[in-house]
Amino acid sequence: EVQLVESGGGLVQPGGSLRLSCAASGFTFSDYYMDWVRQAPGKGLEWVGRSKNKAKGYTIEYAASVKGRFTISRDDAKNSLYLQMNSLKTEDTAVYYCSRGDVEVPSALNHWGQGTLVTVSS
Amino acid sequence: QSVLTQPPSASGTPGQRVTISCSGSSANIGKNNVYWYQQFPGTAPKLLIYMNNQRPSGVPDRFSGSKSGTSASLAISGLRSEDEADYYCSTWDASLSGRVFGGGTKLTVL
Repeated sequence: EVQLVESGGGLVQPGGSLRLSCAASGFTFSDYYMDWVRQAPGKGLEWVGRSKNKAKGYTIEYAASVKGRFTISRDDAKNSLYLQMNSLKTEDTAVYYCSRGDVEVPSALNHWGQGTLVTVSS
Repeated sequence: QSVLTQPPSASGTPGQRVTISCSGSSANIGKNNVYWYQQFPGTAPKLLIYMNNQRPSGVPDRFSGSKSGTSASLAISGLRSEDEADYYCSTWDASLSGRVFGGGTKLTVL
């Protein structure tokens, strides 16, 4: 069974940093693209970025709103995806989900974690 | 302001057919596949439709998707109370080089 479990959320001051983790199980992690998607309280879904799979050289892509501040990485040996968030702003407050697409259709995000809440506030 | 435009709300009575629209541009829907997600309060989104009109296993055939030009639609037939949820369209935007979501549509079953 595919499982994605996020951790690392919490309260952080504006300008601060936080590192989120996503522990994956139930599939060959290196075969899959992995995405981060966030949702501000009461708002819609916003794509944060993604890591392509091993076959695609682990290319990383970011949304413009986080580029230069957030860094996505992965450790296939640990079946884990990470999101390093620096220079955090109040507008980064959201539930952060990691998600996985299909091998054939990476954009079909058919598995999601439960999410972890990040609150940026003084 | 989302790149993809959805109506903020939609409603219908049990048994009715409801459609939710998603309007984009030549940079996104016009050249890429559309995906639809269903989300209940406090839970993670669930993939409902992929590649414009394909249903993952387990999704009832009451749900269908279509795409024409720079717009897409999600149709729900035989509406049920358990369909009351938020629905999001999504695709890749070539200009932004990123995935984009619609603002979401809150479906109410009257």
